[in-house]
Amino acid sequence: GAVVSQHPSWVICKSGTSVKIECRSLDFQATTMFWYRQFPKQSLMLMATSNEGSKATYEQGVEKDKFLINHASLTLSTLTVTSAHPEDSSFYICSAPPPRLADEQYFGPGTRLTVT
Amino acid sequence: AQSVAQPEDQVNVAEGNPLTVKCTYSVSGNPYLFWYVQYPNRGLQFLLKYITGDNLVKGSYGFEAEFNKSQTSFHLKKPSALVSDSALYFCAVRSFLSSGSARQLTFGSGTQLTVLP
Repeated sequence: GAVVSQHPSWVICKSGTSVKIECRSLDFQATTMFWYRQFPKQSLMLMATSNEGSKATYEQGVEKDKFLINHASLTLSTLTVTSAHPEDSSFYICSAPPPRLADEQYFGPGTRLTVT
Repeated sequence: AQSVAQPEDQVNVAEGNPLTVKCTYSVSGNPYLFWYVQYPNRGLQFLLKYITGDNLVKGSYGFEAEFNKSQTSFHLKKPSALVSDSALYFCAVRSFLSSGSARQLTFGSGTQLTVLP
């Protein structure tokens, strides 16, 4: 079946630094990928929609200059958390819909970000 | 706008007993409905989906869900719970009308299921 990977699975960084998280579709091409954020014991909050070849679409309240999204190819989207602060510590999950299964979403395993 | 409600933050059930995790939804047009399970520090795993057809949907690990249009519900069920079923369960919806970048899912708040041995 279709697989979505994320790298790294966990990362610790210092306040003020930037962190890049990669999301890859391993055996299918994804023109669209989604980035979610999840706080402990809470639901997934959609942050942005990553579009290959064009700008990402951000949800209301999400700072686009802080959470930079680049959909570099049909199999790779990256989320860069710039000038990270402790409140950015969270679990970040990406997902991608396979092209011929309009009703499916495949989720990555998530990336745990801790900002100290 | 579409929304999902999971009224129970926590469900406890004894091993071997049937379990139900509740979900109601609101969406324009016909819904696509999903259940996902999440284990600690892991991504979401797909359990089952309702798109069209039979209202009773069977999924992975013995789970099933019943689509009830009149009650706008999609409750997750399993006849006999296992300790290993203990996890966080999410219901999700999107409109059949959505396409392209609008295919994102709206998730419920999640229900922590604990199966007691």
